[in-house]
Amino acid sequence: DQQVKQNSPSLSVQEGRISILNCDYTNSMFDYFLWYKKYPAEGPTFLISISSIKDKNEDGRFTVFLNKSAKHLSLHIVPSQPGDSAVYFCAASVRNNDMRFGAGTRLTVKP
Amino acid sequence: GAVVSQHPSWVICKSGTSVKIECRSLDFQATTMFWYRQFPKQSLMLMATSNEGSKATYEQGVEKDKFLINHASLTLSTLTVTSAHPEDSSFYICSARDPGGAWGEKLFFGSGTQLSVL
Repeated sequence: DQQVKQNSPSLSVQEGRISILNCDYTNSMFDYFLWYKKYPAEGPTFLISISSIKDKNEDGRFTVFLNKSAKHLSLHIVPSQPGDSAVYFCAASVRNNDMRFGAGTRLTVKP
Repeated sequence: GAVVSQHPSWVICKSGTSVKIECRSLDFQATTMFWYRQFPKQSLMLMATSNEGSKATYEQGVEKDKFLINHASLTLSTLTVTSAHPEDSSFYICSARDPGGAWGEKLFFGSGTQLSVL
């Protein structure tokens, strides 16, 4: 039962351009959403989060947008840098209980 | 930042044998740890929640007798895949929650274990 879906397994962008990673969810009870970043041979690390009471959260080059009516969230990276190349996981939870993850999107930023 | 150590990073075993994977929180005490499994091109799926000093809580469809979880201390949880079969071949990853902060931001992951059962 995949409650969180990342339909794009990979994304390639040019350095300096915007990267947009998308995530869809099916459980309308989710109230907390997160993005994790994973480099090879390392575990995922927390990147940015947003609660369901907001529709946007920004942290430096990273912005997460939440569209509750569409059950969709996205991560924008502007400008993209080669060091951003990694696998990005979208996650969602209900009232801070266990999280459900997407399958991940592999981002490649080309110099 | 907090570190979670997972060992081994990869293991190859024969069908029918058991494999133990360790997950340690190195600089914080984790009353709760989580075990996930990820098949190729699929989501990171929660298998079970490991609670220190009590029985683990398994997700629906996960065989508790096959995937034994022990959380004997505040810094160590182990996952034992008993009588492993080729269909158990997968990427297993643990995470530990640092109780000192906002939930998701204080969830730290191990580097994962790639299990291959021949």
